[in-house]
Amino acid sequence: EIVLTQSPATLSLSPGERATLSCRASQSIDSQYLAWYQQKPGQAPRLLIYDASNRATGIPARFSGSGSGTDFTLTISSLESEDFAVYYCQQRSSWPLTFGGGTKVEIK
Amino acid sequence: EVQLLESGGGLVQPGGSLRLSCAASGFSYSNCAMYWVRQAPGKGLEWVAGISGSGGHTRYADSVKGRFTISRDNPKKTLYLQMHSLRAEDTAMFYCARSEGDFWSGKENYFDPWGQGTLVTVSS
Repeated sequence: EIVLTQSPATLSLSPGERATLSCRASQSIDSQYLAWYQQKPGQAPRLLIYDASNRATGIPARFSGSGSGTDFTLTISSLESEDFAVYYCQQRSSWPLTFGGGTKVEIK
Repeated sequence: EVQLLESGGGLVQPGGSLRLSCAASGFSYSNCAMYWVRQAPGKGLEWVAGISGSGGHTRYADSVKGRFTISRDNPKKTLYLQMHSLRAEDTAMFYCARSEGDFWSGKENYFDPWGQGTLVTVSS
């Protein structure tokens, strides 16, 4: 099983600041098969990024993903008020499909 | 518009059974793999099960293997999760989710979109 470790657990930032979230895998992820999701309180998660760097439909350009192998990053270039949420990474390289533990981006 | 609407959650005693349903609309249902993902209260996300577009291939997390069964009715555009031998640790919000393609399509095993979820509580 591929274990995904996200850091930091909590990120305290102000609107307009840049957010950098990390997801590290316990083994290499094939073909960059990694996604990022956003979840707001009381809501279902939403797909942001797939295959490490591709934005899903309707996702603003301030969200970007990068990385390969075992190290992946989600960057939010300039935080908007609606971006304060929990973010999860997920791999589809091998079964079982697994998620990271999440990073909460909170208002400083 | 793609929509997924779960139902069937509720309170069940340990050892009991429950069947969840997910009604789909707005897309070519039989061409897409479908999944169940759960989230215990205040915790992270856990993938539970997946099924191919035809229903002929299924996958399960080890934590539910042998107790849960995923299935689908393509004419009715409905996904199911039959749960037996429920435990307190199965208490969670259960979400159904779609991938844009079927197994082996190159678009499988990402979750987009998700339903709003149905809450399962296992307690005496």
